[in-house]
Amino acid sequence: SQQGEEDPQALSIQEGENATMNCSYKTSINNLQWYRQNSGRGLVHLILIRSNEREKHSGRLRVTLDTSKKSSSLLITASRAADTASYFCATVSFTGANSKLTFGKGITLSVRP
Amino acid sequence: GAGVSQSPRYKVAKRGQDVALRCDPISGHVSLFWYQQALGQGPEFLTYFQNEAQLDKSGLPSDRFFAERPEGSVSTLKIQRTQQEDSAVYLCASSSSEGYYEQYFGPGTRLTVT
Repeated sequence: SQQGEEDPQALSIQEGENATMNCSYKTSINNLQWYRQNSGRGLVHLILIRSNEREKHSGRLRVTLDTSKKSSSLLITASRAADTASYFCATVSFTGANSKLTFGKGITLSVRP
Repeated sequence: GAGVSQSPRYKVAKRGQDVALRCDPISGHVSLFWYQQALGQGPEFLTYFQNEAQLDKSGLPSDRFFAERPEGSVSTLKIQRTQQEDSAVYLCASSSSEGYYEQYFGPGTRLTVT
C-alpha cells in the first residue's frame, strides 16, 4: 500500500518558472526522500530530509517538512526542460532494521521550452 | 564505480512460465531492496536483504515470488507460474548502510506476461 499522496498529480510550466510539488503521508517517519524518474528509467535520488529537519537545500531544489501536518513540499527553481520527469516522495518509517521506502503515486512535471 | 545493474531489461513471458530477474548492486552495499512498479504508480516494496539475510519479505504478493541473495551481493527475484497481474517493472535498489540513507536504483526489468 502507498503511504502518501502527491499533489498535484500533473504540473505543466514554462521553462524558467518555479515548480512546487506537495506530498502528504500517514504515519510517523524517520526521513522523507524525493526521487525523480525519467520515462523508462530507474529512480534517481534527489534529496533527503530527516524528521528533525524543517528545510533543506540542494542546488535548485528546496524541500520542506512539516511533521505536525505530515506533509512535505519540493520546490524546483528556474526550471529547465530537462527537469521534465515524474517526481515521487518516499518515506522511511521506524521499522527497525528495514529502511524500506514507501512511495506516493508520483507527480508528472512537464517543463515547456 | 558502476551503478546498480539489472538484467534482463525486458522480459516477455507466457502465462504460466517461470522467470528470473537479476540484480547487481553497487559493490559493498549491505542493503538490497526489490520493488514492483505498476504502470502509472509509485514503486511498492517487495523484499529486503541485509547482506545475505532476507530480513523482510512482507511485500511479496504471493508464494509464487521468491528472492535470494546467497553471497550477499547479486540477488535474483524469481516468479513462478507467472500471471498477467505480474506484469510490471521490477526495480532493484541498494544502499550503503542498514540505516536510513538514500537508495540507488537500477534501471528496472519490465516484465510483460501474455
